[in-house]
Amino acid sequence: GDSVTQMEGPVTLSEEAFLTINCTYTATGYPSLFWYVQYPGEGLQLLLKATKADDKGSNKGFEATYRKETTSFHLEKGSVQVSDSAVYFCALRESTGNQFYFGTGTSLTVIP
Amino acid sequence: GAVVSQHPSWVICKSGTSVKIECRSLDFQATTMFWYRQFPKQSLMLMATSNEGSKATYEQGVEKDKFLINHASLTLSTLTVTSAHPEDSSFYICSADKGLAGGFGTDTQYFGPGTRLTVL
Repeated sequence: GDSVTQMEGPVTLSEEAFLTINCTYTATGYPSLFWYVQYPGEGLQLLLKATKADDKGSNKGFEATYRKETTSFHLEKGSVQVSDSAVYFCALRESTGNQFYFGTGTSLTVIP
Repeated sequence: GAVVSQHPSWVICKSGTSVKIECRSLDFQATTMFWYRQFPKQSLMLMATSNEGSKATYEQGVEKDKFLINHASLTLSTLTVTSAHPEDSSFYICSADKGLAGGFGTDTQYFGPGTRLTVL
C-alpha cells in the first residue's frame, strides 16, 4: 500500500543554517505530495504541495520538488529562523479518494 | 483562514468509561471530516472518514462499535471512544475538508490541534 518514510529527528540547527528534511514515498498511481507543519500547541497547517512530477512547491522560503524517479519530496530551506521551530510532516494523497498518508514527523529546533 | 477546533484538548478517564471528543469547523462548512490517531513517534493513522448526514467510513482494523463517529452538522463531528481501555490512550486529531459531499475532497485539509486521551 501507499506509505511515506520521513527522516527521523529531532533536528537542531543554528539560525541561518541550511535545512533538509528527507521524505520518500511508495505509491501506486500518481499521488499528490504535501508538507505540513505543526507549531507548538497548534494544528497541522499546509506548508506546501506538489501535484505532479517535477512540480516544485514553495512557501515561506521552504521548497520541495516532486521527484518521481527517486520517489522523493525533500523539504529544503536556505536559511532557517527561530520561528521555523516546529514539527514537519510529509504526506501523500492517493490519486483516487481522499485518504492521506503521513510520515512520522520531524521535529526541528532552531537556536539563535 | 479556516480554523478547526477540538474539545477537550486533554482528557483523563477511568477504564470502562466513554469519552466524547468534538471537532468543529469554526468559519467554514465541512462536508467531510477525518479522524486520525497518532501514537508517539509514529505517523497519523486515518481511523475514519465522516460525511455530514451519513454513516462514517472506517478504515480496516478500526472497530466501529468502539469508536463511534457522528457528523450531525456541517460544522461538527464527534468521536466517542466507548468503554475506553488503557490501550486506547493516544492523541486523536481531526481534520476538515471544504470539498463537495459525495465527491473527492480538496487537497487542503484543515487540522484541529488534537486531543490527548489518557485512560487509567
